[in-house]
Amino acid sequence: DAKTTQPPSMDCAEGRAANLPCNHSTISGNEYVYWYRQIHSQGPQYIIHGLKNNETNEMASLIITEDRKSSTLILPHATLRDTAVYYCIVRVVGEYGNKLVFGAGTILRVKS
Amino acid sequence: KAGVTQTPRYLIKTRGQQVTLSCSPISGHRSVSWYQQTPGQGLQFLFEYFSETQRNKGNFPGRFSGRQFSNSRSEMNVSTLELGDSALYLCASSLGGEYQPQHFGDGTRLSIL
Repeated sequence: DAKTTQPPSMDCAEGRAANLPCNHSTISGNEYVYWYRQIHSQGPQYIIHGLKNNETNEMASLIITEDRKSSTLILPHATLRDTAVYYCIVRVVGEYGNKLVFGAGTILRVKS
Repeated sequence: KAGVTQTPRYLIKTRGQQVTLSCSPISGHRSVSWYQQTPGQGLQFLFEYFSETQRNKGNFPGRFSGRQFSNSRSEMNVSTLELGDSALYLCASSLGGEYQPQHFGDGTRLSIL
C-alpha cells in the first residue's frame, strides 16, 4: 500500500470548513483513498473513500487531484464534535482480503 | 441497524493468563478484521476472517489467534499474556467485497498487570 503523509495537527474554527490534506505521491492506478476518523475512546469511524473522482456524502467531501498524488477531506461546517484524529489511508482494492494500514493521522481541533 | 458490538469493553488480566475477546459484526457482514491500538505503535492489523476462514494476517506472534463462526461472529484469543499486550483491541466488519469500507466497534480495553 502507498504511504501517506498528513500534518500532525490542525485547528479550525467552529462553523468554518475544515480542509484536511493528505499526500500520497506514490499512489498507483488501482489504489483507493479512504478517510477515517477516531474520536477519543471510540473506534475509527469510516468517512468516505474514492478512486479519482471527487466524492461527497452526508459527512464530508473528498477532493482528489487530477494526478492523484494528493487529496483533501473537507468538513463543510465543522462542529466541536468533529474534534478527532483523521486518518488518510491508501489501499489496493481487489487485493486479497481486507487490511487497513493506519499512519499517525491528523489531530483536528475544532475551537469555539 | 446495529453497529459492531465488542465484549467485554474492559478487561484486566495478569501476565501468563489467556484472554478471549468477542465481536459481533453488523448484520449481513461476512468479513471481520481485528486491530490492536497502542500509544507507541498506533493501529496495527492483526488478522481478517471471511466465511470462517482466515484470509489475511498481520505481523503478530502465534500467541494471537482468532476464529469466525458460521453466523460471522468472531473471537480473538491471546495466550500467555505479556505486559506489552495491554492495548485497545478493535474489531471491524465489512460486506467483504473489493471496495467495501470497514466499520469498527468501540473496542475492548485490555490491561495486563
